[in-house]
Amino acid sequence: GAGVSQSPSNKVTEKGKDVELRCDPISGHTALYWYRQSLGQGLEFLIYFQGNSAPDKSGLPSDRFSAERTGGSVSTLTIQRTQQEDSAVYLCASSWILAGGPSGGELFFGEGSRLTVL
Amino acid sequence: AQTVTQSQPEMSVQEAETVTLSCTYDTSESNYYLFWYKQPPSRQMILVIRQEAYKQQNATENRFSVNFQKAAKSFSLKISDSQLGDTAMYFCASSGSARQLTFGSGTQLTVLP
Repeated sequence: GAGVSQSPSNKVTEKGKDVELRCDPISGHTALYWYRQSLGQGLEFLIYFQGNSAPDKSGLPSDRFSAERTGGSVSTLTIQRTQQEDSAVYLCASSWILAGGPSGGELFFGEGSRLTVL
Repeated sequence: AQTVTQSQPEMSVQEAETVTLSCTYDTSESNYYLFWYKQPPSRQMILVIRQEAYKQQNATENRFSVNFQKAAKSFSLKISDSQLGDTAMYFCASSGSARQLTFGSGTQLTVLP
């Protein structure tokens, strides 16, 4: 597709269940980011991938959160044993280069996955 | 570490008028970038304008311009001739050697007909 695609658009789950959120970046983009946006808040960085380099996981809030990127393209964010405080919109973004690179790379965002944990 | 502060949670402006959104940031880096992103109700973030810190000239994109005051660490966004389609949440962000964007908490702008 032409843009960043995320699925599901909305997910309602019960506390304690595991969830997987998927991101399909723009073809050819080597950098992929996950951010979390809680209600009325800014965006909280979670993780980024750049090419074949080791991902920067410094933003993951706990070991219940993990992410992988297969074949340098599609990424999956997994939240295990979900808690109510995990309820948020999870945004994925991709770019030709990492933010802060030589041209201050623009991030292209998907529409996000809204997670509600009951 | 970088921090970004937006002190105006909500603002409104009449259609065709001009509005300015404020943003301050803090960084110890000498080379960084500043951004304004727009998030309409569809949730998809869209880049509005970008400023390189080492450039003194303020960036402009059609009706959007910035007032970049490096010494004051201020980066405000001016929207001229406001349109109904400008209604959205606006986020200020910075990036540097950490290779990720640090976002402010956002300003909800409503353009009134």
